Amino acid sequence: AQTVTQSQPEMSVQEAETVTLSCTYDTSESDYYLFWYKQPPSRQMILVIRQEAYKQQNATENRFSVNFQKAAKSFSLKISDSQLGDAAMYFCAYTGNQFYFGTGTSLTVIP
Amino acid sequence: DTAVSQTPKYLVTQMGNDKSIKCEQNLGHDTMYWYKQDSKKFLKIMFSYNNKELIINETVPNRFSPKSPDKAHLNLHINSLELGDSAVYFCASSLLGPYEQYFGPGTRLTVT
Repeated sequence: AQTVTQSQPEMSVQEAETVTLSCTYDTSESDYYLFWYKQPPSRQMILVIRQEAYKQQNATENRFSVNFQKAAKSFSLKISDSQLGDAAMYFCAYTGNQFYFGTGTSLTVIP
Repeated sequence: DTAVSQTPKYLVTQMGNDKSIKCEQNLGHDTMYWYKQDSKKFLKIMFSYNNKELIINETVPNRFSPKSPDKAHLNLHINSLELGDSAVYFCASSLLGPYEQYFGPGTRLTVT
């Protein structure tokens, strides 16, 4: 079965600094997508970024970028120039035949 | 023009009652889901429907019954509510296949 592991339950970053959230996954499927979702205190689940496994180029969305290492089954999220509004729970997710979420990383942004 | 909507957003009820949560999506998606998020923020999939047919039914008590009148709606009915049912319940939808899911705003259920 596929699994998604986020080994950092909590992280903190100074405002304007860069932080990287880790995610690893296990799969035997060849066709899959990976995602990062953000859940702020409002509890709305917001899609931050997606990565198709067949693409070698790392996805980027403004200040958010990923480091996708397919052979290592690693999918980390980098947040540059952190802002107070980035404070949230971040979930890594995998989908092939089914959708799997990691356990989340709570990110605190320090002013 | 909310993409995935849920009602109600908050639900407070007593043990033993029966309640329903409604979900609607206007994205034209084929597949809809129900998730439970506990106090530790763990997201657990409960059900998945594709074109009104159940395709995933994780181990949840029989007291939980999803109903899909059409592919734009997936409602969750809960019988004989228990204290342990207190959680946030999310509805989500996606295209069929390995695609991102879009979430509703969640329903915070509190059982007293």
